[in-house]
Amino acid sequence: AQKITQTQPGMFVQEKEAVTLDCTYDTSDPSYGLFWYKQPSSGEMIFLIYQGSYDQQNATEGRYSLNFQKARKSANLVISASQLGDSAMYFCAMRESIDFGNEKLTFGTGTRLTIIP
Amino acid sequence: GAVVSQHPSWVICKSGTSVKIECRSLDFQATTMFWYRQFPKQSLMLMATSNEGSKATYEQGVEKDKFLINHASLTLSTLTVTSAHPEDSSFYICRGTGGYEQYFGPGTRLTVT
Repeated sequence: AQKITQTQPGMFVQEKEAVTLDCTYDTSDPSYGLFWYKQPSSGEMIFLIYQGSYDQQNATEGRYSLNFQKARKSANLVISASQLGDSAMYFCAMRESIDFGNEKLTFGTGTRLTIIP
Repeated sequence: GAVVSQHPSWVICKSGTSVKIECRSLDFQATTMFWYRQFPKQSLMLMATSNEGSKATYEQGVEKDKFLINHASLTLSTLTVTSAHPEDSSFYICRGTGGYEQYFGPGTRLTVT
């Protein structure tokens, strides 16, 4: 079974609109972390936002927020007021252990977001 | 802030030759380095995990004799692709972790002709 599932291979969104990128995960580990990364065409992985499994509130970072629904095992990324520069590949990733030295990240297949002017 | 640098950013080599990719952590000590490979339009796939001073742990299906990883210090890890073939052409990216810090390198695009 896939540990991280991103069901939207591609999305087209009008500039200035909000966009939600879906991510569901599967783990039996009570301690885990969820990440979202942006990968532009240059290839670099840009960290956007992090949610820990024990965090009581949904994470927010500027225009990015994470809609964390633990019971549903979903961690959707919401980008408010999208900009042309948001066009990129977006990856959801999970870290299943917080033990130092064992912080593997498992990545979803990604969603290619295109912002339309 | 701390970053991980990666060198070279891109390389073209002939089939049968070896290529070394370096990842250096700046302003933090990377006790663990993860090496990923990303084929075009695909996700990042973990190749191996290396802890400073120890032998690397390879993921299933990754040939340890072909992808040599050295992590001799807390600031430098290297991946050597030996006897490269066109199917090794890919984007290679490292990720260093130390304590609560973790940073990706900018990646190396390898093309084998």
